[in-house]
Amino acid sequence: AQSVTQLDSQVPVFEEAPVELRCNYSSSVSVYLFWYVQYPNQGLQLLLKYLSGSTLVKGINGFEAEFNKSQTSFHLRKPSVHISDTAEYFCAVSAYNDMRFGAGTRLTVKP
Amino acid sequence: GAGVSQTPSNKVTEKGKYVELRCDPISGHTALYWYRQSLGQGPEFLIYFQGTGAADDSGLPNDRFFAVRPEGSVSTLKIQRTERGDSAVYLCASSDRDRGLSGANVLTFGAGSRLTVL
Repeated sequence: AQSVTQLDSQVPVFEEAPVELRCNYSSSVSVYLFWYVQYPNQGLQLLLKYLSGSTLVKGINGFEAEFNKSQTSFHLRKPSVHISDTAEYFCAVSAYNDMRFGAGTRLTVKP
Repeated sequence: GAGVSQTPSNKVTEKGKYVELRCDPISGHTALYWYRQSLGQGPEFLIYFQGTGAADDSGLPNDRFFAVRPEGSVSTLKIQRTERGDSAVYLCASSDRDRGLSGANVLTFGAGSRLTVL
């Protein structure tokens, strides 16, 4: 089965600074890639997805991610973060309807 | 319904008891998933249904865990002889394949059922 590694468990950053949350995956077949966000005491929400086509995908709240097949990565970026972006971010990989998640990265935005 | 509904939102039980967690998926979604999320961890896959049948139950940790979806809509996750280690948030998600993209599933999650085993 496929697997996901999120390289940073915690990322602290100051407001209006850029941020990158790293995600690498492993799979023997073609996959689809996702980022989900979980705000405190809330359920998982889809942030963005890569299914096919352009390797740069844009999501909600100004986030974007780039699929890099050769490096098996799908890093999430935002050029300028807000306090409200403080949350847990999960990278996920799907093949044949089997979706697996990484352990998560806690993004903390400080004023 | 408009979203994925899970009940109860919170369940506190004693070690050794039996619990049932219910998931009502988005109307018309054929695929239904159960995940378990422990504190500070990502969602851990448990089981996946396509219609009424379990397409993949490889994530169920042991035979105390069982899930059903008899009519292809509502699903129930059943845990027998609960243990303290079963304490977690149990997440349900449903999906329908994106048209024209076979195998591309976009999951919509419920808010979860928090299980605490004392």
